Formats: sequence, C-alpha cells, structure tokens
Amino acid sequence: EAGVVQSPRYKIIEKKQPVAFWCNPISGHNTLYWYLQNLGQGPELLIRYENEEAVDDSQLPKDRFSAERLKGVDSTLKIQPAELGDSAVYLCASSFQTGSHYEQYFGPGTRLTVT
Amino acid sequence: AQSVTQLDSQVPVFEEAPVELRCNYSSSVSVYLFWYVQYPNQGLQLLLKYLSGSTLVKGINGFEAEFNKSQTSFHLRKPSVHISDTAEYFCAVSHLTGGGNKLTFGTGTQLKVEL
Repeated sequence: EAGVVQSPRYKIIEKKQPVAFWCNPISGHNTLYWYLQNLGQGPELLIRYENEEAVDDSQLPKDRFSAERLKGVDSTLKIQPAELGDSAVYLCASSFQTGSHYEQYFGPGTRLTVT
Repeated sequence: AQSVTQLDSQVPVFEEAPVELRCNYSSSVSVYLFWYVQYPNQGLQLLLKYLSGSTLVKGINGFEAEFNKSQTSFHLRKPSVHISDTAEYFCAVSHLTGGGNKLTFGTGTQLKVEL
C-alpha cells in the first residue's frame, strides 16, 4: 500500500513569490491534515479536512495561506506571497477517519526555503 | 488547552545501552498519548499509542512507554538501543475537540546512538 505522497520534496523561492504544495493521501482515508514543522520544533496543525470540508482551519494564516481538497482526495496548500519566516517543512498526513484513535500517517514533507 | 513538554532536546547514548525519553503533558480532560519517530528527511512514523487500558504500552522496534496519570507523564523506553534508532522522537497528545482529532506535539528529542 502506498503511503502519503507529497511533492515537491524541496522548494527554494524568493520572498514575495507564490508556492504550492501537493499531497496525495492514502487511498480510502477521509481525513487529511496539513502541518507546519519549524526547525527544532514539533509539527503544528494548519488545517484539517474531512472529505472536502475544512473542519479546522483556525491555525491557518488566511491572509497568505490557502488550501483546497477537491473531490475529497488530493489536496493543495498555497502560500502567496511567501515570507522569509515561512521557511519550514510542510507535512501532510491522513487518517481513515477523524477519531483520536485513528492513526495519522505522515508524508515525507516539503522543505521550503524562502530567500 | 493541552500541551506537551519534552525536557531533553538531545539524548546521547551508547549502542546496547538502555534509554528513556521523557514526556510530560498537561490537559484538563482525558487524553490519548502517542510517540512518533522521525528519521532524517522522512515523515513521522507512529511508534506506539495509549488510548486506554494497560498503562504499559508496547510499540514497534522494541520501544515501550508507560502512562502515569498522577505524574502526567508518558516516558518512552528501550532496554537496548541500536545505531538505527538514531532519530528525532516526538511525544504527542490528543483529545476530541469539537468532534475532531487534533495532535499537539512536543518539541522533540534527538536520540543519538553512538558506538
């Protein structure tokens, strides 16, 4: 069974440029998560989807960040415009359903460097 | 609000020696507890989880953890480590929030196994 797929794995952009990250969750997983992981820190939830619906986006900086999950499968996270402080690893995870006892499976992440 | 504290940012240990990685949490409600491992340039992988029942939880790769409610701790242990255990370890706590599943991670402990 394929795991969570993310692309690109690495991205270097100049500040003020837009950037997008793509995530393909494990087949059959209804819940999808985007996390931000700063250097030396644990992941922090940005947004959680149940199927197509964003049910928790309270930590998503909506002035520059946006996300979508069309058809309840793949998801895209976008930053426009990027700032130096956005340099971090962006992790995508998925779980079969939403309950706390369902394991979240993580992708390898996209490492973003903003110069 | 819930939080997780991992007091040790780095733990060096010799191969075949025992190791304990400490995790303390705070929450006003009952929680579920998790340990994840992150190898370089990879996503997080679940080591073990405590949902209910026996307070001693066994996970993959020979790791185990003990839930101590009175001390609000969930320390991770392994009786004999291997070079391949070198990685970042994250403790996380979860409880149902508004019908959802939100993981709050600690800052991580870098385990470095030396010959």
